[in-house]
Amino acid sequence: AQSVSQHNHHVILSEAASLELGCNYSYGGTVNLFWYVQYPGQHLQLLLKYFSGDPLVKGIKGFEAEFIKSKFSFNLRKPSVQWSDTAEYFCAVSRNSGNTPLVFGKGTRLSVIA
Amino acid sequence: GAVVSQHPSRVICKSGTSVKIECRSLDFQATTMFWYRQFPKQSLMLMATSNEGSKATYEQGVEKDKFLINHASLTLSTLTVTSAHPEDSSFYICSARARNADQPQHFGDGTRLSIL
Repeated sequence: AQSVSQHNHHVILSEAASLELGCNYSYGGTVNLFWYVQYPGQHLQLLLKYFSGDPLVKGIKGFEAEFIKSKFSFNLRKPSVQWSDTAEYFCAVSRNSGNTPLVFGKGTRLSVIA
Repeated sequence: GAVVSQHPSRVICKSGTSVKIECRSLDFQATTMFWYRQFPKQSLMLMATSNEGSKATYEQGVEKDKFLINHASLTLSTLTVTSAHPEDSSFYICSARARNADQPQHFGDGTRLSIL
């Protein structure tokens, strides 16, 4: 079965620090990859997605992610975090065939301190 | 952007009550809707997938007689938790996707269900 692993449960950073959140998936076929963010008390929002093409994907709010097929990874990065980036981040994967659902990682809680 | 409306946002009720949660896609036709459940500090777990006009497909371990899903139109899906018990207390989130498989899923705000 397809699975998604997020390595970090909770990350604490100071403002302006660089961020990288790891995500690995287990499915061997063609996949679509997503990062979602959930701010405290709010619903999930799409940060960025990868379907095909350039493996370096730019998202909203200065986030980017790189798809490395050989490593089955889709790590999320941001050069300089802000206090407002404090949230839960979920990596998600779906198979690129038919109308398949997203499978989510367990999430990484990011706390940005001043 | 695409909007998914989920109602109600919060339900508190007695054990044995049945609770219906609605999920609507407001500005697009959702051929497929997904229902997830999220326990505190855990990830979203897919409960079932429903295609408009068809029976829902349930994930392993999810009781279809307990969690009734209806997807009667391209803009509305409902989840009914029948005879709810305290262990059913959770955060339920619906998601909708348009006809094209390359469109992302859009999420509702979720429903926090508390069974006393």
